[in-house]
Amino acid sequence: GAGVSQSPSNKVTEKGKDVELRCDPISGHTALYWYRQSLGQGLEFLIYFQGNSAPDKSGLPSDRFSAERTGGSVSTLTIQRTQQEDSAVYLCASSLAGNEQYFGPGTRLTVT
Amino acid sequence: DQQVKQNSPSLSVQEGRISILNCDYTNSMFDYFLWYKKYPAEGPTFLISISSIKDKNEDGRFTVFLNKSAKHLSLHIVPSQPGDSAVYFCAGYKAAGNKLTFGGGTRVLVKP
Repeated sequence: GAGVSQSPSNKVTEKGKDVELRCDPISGHTALYWYRQSLGQGLEFLIYFQGNSAPDKSGLPSDRFSAERTGGSVSTLTIQRTQQEDSAVYLCASSLAGNEQYFGPGTRLTVT
Repeated sequence: DQQVKQNSPSLSVQEGRISILNCDYTNSMFDYFLWYKKYPAEGPTFLISISSIKDKNEDGRFTVFLNKSAKHLSLHIVPSQPGDSAVYFCAGYKAAGNKLTFGGGTRVLVKP
């Protein structure tokens, strides 16, 4: 079956521009997560959606970052006024319940 | 505040020998611990997990050991194969909050 997909796979943008990253979770998965992995670092939690509940935004690093999940399925992570320190691989994961999360291939964002 | 730490950034092992990956944690409230494997340009994939009430879980060539008193877990891969070359992340899971907290990863290279 189809796994988690993300688009684009790579994005190069100029400092100060806005970017949108998309995640299509596994069909039927109620939970959706965004992480980022900076060069040489581990996975940093950003935001978590569970069903119709209010999202857990505790990991978002600044108010330039926001995310939506429409219809309980597709999610978009938006970074406004990008900075060079935003360069990272942004990973999306989904899960049905419990602890096992299924990850997408990630979007590599480079801010020049 | 790193709740999950992998102090060895890299490990090199000969094919057929044992690979031992270590992980330390500071938060006693984790309900499960998980190991994920990540190849370049792919998202992490789930490998094996252990409940916080267990001290060992085995799945084929992979065994995870949990020492709660030391707040330490390890992943043993026996025998190591070239296809095991990847970055391995340990993660702690708390059911309350339904979130994973990842370590920084250990890059494993299995030499033929």
